[in-house]
Amino acid sequence: DVVMTQSPLSLPVTLGQPASISCRSSQSLVYSDGNTYLNWFQQRPGQSPRRLIYKVSNRDSGVPDRFSGSGSGTDFTLKISRVEAEDVGVYYCMQGTHWPWTFGQGTKVEIK
Amino acid sequence: QLQLQESGPGLVKPSETLSLTCTVSGGSISSSSYYWGWIRQPPGKGLEWIGSIYYSGSTYYNPSLKSRVTISVDTSKNQFSLKLSSVTAADTAVYYCVAVAGRDYWGQGTLVTVSS
Repeated sequence: DVVMTQSPLSLPVTLGQPASISCRSSQSLVYSDGNTYLNWFQQRPGQSPRRLIYKVSNRDSGVPDRFSGSGSGTDFTLKISRVEAEDVGVYYCMQGTHWPWTFGQGTKVEIK
Repeated sequence: QLQLQESGPGLVKPSETLSLTCTVSGGSISSSSYYWGWIRQPPGKGLEWIGSIYYSGSTYYNPSLKSRVTISVDTSKNQFSLKLSSVTAADTAVYYCVAVAGRDYWGQGTLVTVSS
């Protein structure tokens, strides 16, 4: 299985400040069709996860533009330009290139 | 707006079969636009993709569970289901049904505890 490794696992952030989460995969996530199936999910406390970003850098509908994704190959990053209170939760990267699809361990974002 | 709702027993005995159903509303389970899946999350832990089923009927199961898992669709009830056999305490988790069609849709999740 492809191992997804996130860092940091805990991220205290001051409101209004930026935040960055790294995700590394144990092998390239470039699929045979040329796409890279790397997604980011947000799970707010007590809620189901929801996808924020698909194929590395595409925001899902309704996702604020303060969220952005970047990266290629095996190294990916989720950035929040200015953290708001509603961003508290756990963030997961997930690869959909190699079956079984696998998630990172999660990064807990909290307000300082 | 597609909505999903999981249902099934909250307590299953070890060695028995876990059976969950996901009822879909606001869209058709027969639509070629979606694929359907199950994801689980042990208490306080991360996410694991259990398996997926497509419009064609093709199924993909996580190899770690493959010998124990079955995902199927009931078009007459607009539902899809998960069966996981020979459960142990390690299968205790919140189970989510999901649908993906451009965007993702999740059920609220249902906690299944494996205990005698």
